[in-house]
Amino acid sequence: GEDVEQSLFLSVREGDSSVINCTYTDSSSTYLYWYKQEPGAGLQLLTYIFSNMDMKQDQRLTVLLNKKDKHLSLRIADTQTGDSAIYFCAESPSGTGGFKTIFGAGTRLFVKA
Amino acid sequence: DAGVIQSPRHEVTEMGQEVTLRCKPISGHDYLFWYRQTMMRGLELLIYFNNNVPIDDSGMPEDRFSAKMPNASFSTLKIQPSEPRDSAVYFCASSFRDPPRNTQYFGPGTRLTVL
Repeated sequence: GEDVEQSLFLSVREGDSSVINCTYTDSSSTYLYWYKQEPGAGLQLLTYIFSNMDMKQDQRLTVLLNKKDKHLSLRIADTQTGDSAIYFCAESPSGTGGFKTIFGAGTRLFVKA
Repeated sequence: DAGVIQSPRHEVTEMGQEVTLRCKPISGHDYLFWYRQTMMRGLELLIYFNNNVPIDDSGMPEDRFSAKMPNASFSTLKIQPSEPRDSAVYFCASSFRDPPRNTQYFGPGTRLTVL
């Protein structure tokens, strides 16, 4: 079935790197996503990776994809207090036409000053 | 564009009352999604529409929940009668046909409290 799993909490010190991990089940997803939710707000797309890529870098963000293990990770370099939020891993299985996005439970990132 | 607009932002009601949540998607988007978020169950997809037609309502928890999309710029999610376990944040999201990327744009949510 369709399922996305991720750890619920991560705590880091300001300036350190954060790594948020995720596993997914449906290998048909063409894109995999990371969404960010700040307090009191809706989810906002942070970055995404095409399934035929192993890595994507976007400023402080690095996404790594291991298709064999169905493992996705998000690395945030030089983590700042403003990065404190909930981060959702997500996939869009092609069996749904790619329009139904399956979200993980979200990882709550705490950044200590 | 103003983004996805939801109203009200907060709703407090008593058990048994009817609740109507409203959503205006981003202009030009042809997919609209309703989600519910709670600490216990995380983010749940309730229903989604394509070109105003409901495509998948398998996430709607009970017959007490109904959703409509009378036109491309407006959707409602209704709960009648409401129960305390319906307390949650309800999000509306929209996207346009940009396969396979299909980024979803979320509204700010409606925080519903049923007493």
